Amino acid sequence: QSAVTQPPSASGTPGQRVTISCSGSSSNIGNNYVYWYQHLPGTAPKLLVYRSNQRPSGVPDRFSGSKSGTSASLAISGLRSEDEADYYCAAWDDRLSAWVFGGGTKLTVL
Amino acid sequence: QVQLMESGGAVVQPGRSLRLSCAASGFRFSSFAMHWVRQAPGKGLEWVAVLRYDGSDKYYADSVKGRFTVSRDNSKNVLFLQMNSLRIEDTALYHCSKGRGYSSSSDGLDVWGQGTMVTVSS
Repeated sequence: QSAVTQPPSASGTPGQRVTISCSGSSSNIGNNYVYWYQHLPGTAPKLLVYRSNQRPSGVPDRFSGSKSGTSASLAISGLRSEDEADYYCAAWDDRLSAWVFGGGTKLTVL
Repeated sequence: QVQLMESGGAVVQPGRSLRLSCAASGFRFSSFAMHWVRQAPGKGLEWVAVLRYDGSDKYYADSVKGRFTVSRDNSKNVLFLQMNSLRIEDTALYHCSKGRGYSSSSDGLDVWGQGTMVTVSS
């Protein structure tokens, strides 16, 4: 059981907006930044959002992150077929003294 | 650009040891924390260990604590993961990742390598 939890799957049609949630506790998301990664199996994961709501250069503004209390979310607008991938949230956990990753959400573009 | 190249993965028997390496280039290696993250077949990403930029601070996942040791050679831009007492459940693709800053516990993981496969089997 991970310290942060995500829904195992999400889906949407091209052009739609989808949101992926990440739920934690006061020792991780509630007190630290959240990071989001996109991962196609067999490749290197890619940073999409850092410090809860900041985008690295080169990441399209279709991707946005937010945080409220002990939960965070990643929103993808204008969904495209190439967005089909696994998405992970991560945060530092003060109680565990460890980085914790959510179990991942598999996004399907219908 | 930032490049991370892992090596050292192999098929090993339970109880044996293995050392992974991660060669870094394209950035000032000695200024950034470095991480190891693994993905078992069919599973999600699992963070393994982090080492502060100067090697003075390190943290481990409970699943590897006491068995794995992370280290670095800043003169050669290389990160290591010494894995002892390997278990079947350590079978995974191991990625190294550059931290966004010097600290072990803030700023998150930035660029990742493609990974090296470790298979623990009798």
